[in-house]
Amino acid sequence: GNSVTQMEGPVTLSEEAFLTINCTYTATGYPSLFWYVQYPGEGLQLLLKATKADDKGSNKGFEATYRKETTSFHLEKGSVQVSDSAVYFCAPQQGGSEKLVFGKGTKLTVNP
Amino acid sequence: EAGVAQSPRYKIIEKRQSVAFWCNPISGHATLYWYQQILGQGPKLLIQFQNNGVVDDSQLPKDRFSAERLKGVDSTLKIQPAKLEDSAVYLCASSLGTKDNEQFFGPGTRLTVL
Repeated sequence: GNSVTQMEGPVTLSEEAFLTINCTYTATGYPSLFWYVQYPGEGLQLLLKATKADDKGSNKGFEATYRKETTSFHLEKGSVQVSDSAVYFCAPQQGGSEKLVFGKGTKLTVNP
Repeated sequence: EAGVAQSPRYKIIEKRQSVAFWCNPISGHATLYWYQQILGQGPKLLIQFQNNGVVDDSQLPKDRFSAERLKGVDSTLKIQPAKLEDSAVYLCASSLGTKDNEQFFGPGTRLTVL
């Protein structure tokens, strides 16, 4: 089955800093790739996704590009805000199914 | 649109006791998932239902965990007897049931086993 390696946190940044959270995965075939986010006190919610090679998912200023050659799906944001403080999970779909395999999560704290 | 509902939100029990969690998915969602999220880790799938049938329960510890979705709508997850290592947040999610579809998560039930 798939496995996912996600950059360990916690990550602490100042407002307006650039963010990268690395994610690499192993998979058979070409799974769809997802980033989920968990804000303090809230449930997990989808942040963005990409379903095929070279696709770029984007939402709320965050972006991630499906890199087939490097089996990576790194999350980036050019200028983070305090409200982006949350835990971020990379989750490739297991090839051929809807099953998600979650990374351990990266906790981001953005200070004003 | 109402989201995924779960109850209770918190539960504290002693080891060897039993506990049950309830989930009501988003209306019209054919697929329902139960995940276990241990502190500091990502969610791990326990069981996946498509309507009222089990699609994947390969990671469900069947000697103590059971789940059902009798009418293809809401679902219950039971642990009997509980162990200390079952302390975790139990998440329910639902989706329309086709590949690439977003999974919508409930708020979770935080279980503490003493």
